[in-house]
Amino acid sequence: SQKIEQNSEALNIQEGKTATLTCNYTNYSPAYLQWYRQDPGRGPVFLLLIRENEKEKRKERLKVTFDTTLKQSLFHITASQPADSATYLCALPPSGYNKLIFGAGTRLAVHP
Amino acid sequence: GAVVSQHPSWVICKSGTSVKIECRSLDFQATTMFWYRQFPKQSLMLMATSNEGSKATYEQGVEKDKFLINHASLTLSTLTVTSAHPEDSSFYICSSDRGLDTDTQYFGPGTRLTVL
Repeated sequence: SQKIEQNSEALNIQEGKTATLTCNYTNYSPAYLQWYRQDPGRGPVFLLLIRENEKEKRKERLKVTFDTTLKQSLFHITASQPADSATYLCALPPSGYNKLIFGAGTRLAVHP
Repeated sequence: GAVVSQHPSWVICKSGTSVKIECRSLDFQATTMFWYRQFPKQSLMLMATSNEGSKATYEQGVEKDKFLINHASLTLSTLTVTSAHPEDSSFYICSSDRGLDTDTQYFGPGTRLTVL
């Protein structure tokens, strides 16, 4: 069956450290994968998109990798800040569709 | 950036009543909008794809007669939860891909529905 898996346990890290979140998928062959941030009671906000022919993408303190062999994407936040505390969702398009399927998200808590 | 709004932001209703949720694109024309539902601590579940001027496409397991979708203009899609029951209580979120930039979704702020 098709699955998108993110670590359901919250990730607690110290301010200034690098946070690494994982997204694994099964039985999909996505042309791209996206990462979103969601704050409590709010809609998701787009962060980064990485395509299947890209290994790595960066945006300010954010970095995403995409390994189509492992069927995995890693999302890194360097020099993390308490303001980075949120739930981070990965999403991908089922083959041939322009819609998105989301993982359950990983909650990140950055402590001062 | 693209902005999507939703109204109301929250609603409480009695069981058996119908509730309409509006999703508007404020600075672009949205030929396609997506409706999601999110239960606490769970993922966004795609309910349906709303297409301007045509019928919505519903995901498997979503009752089209219970969740009525109307996309009558390029800036407005509505989701009506008919004969709502407590199990319909959830966070409903819409999104659009702007059409030109089809890979990125712009989400509304969500509507919290509570059915008593």
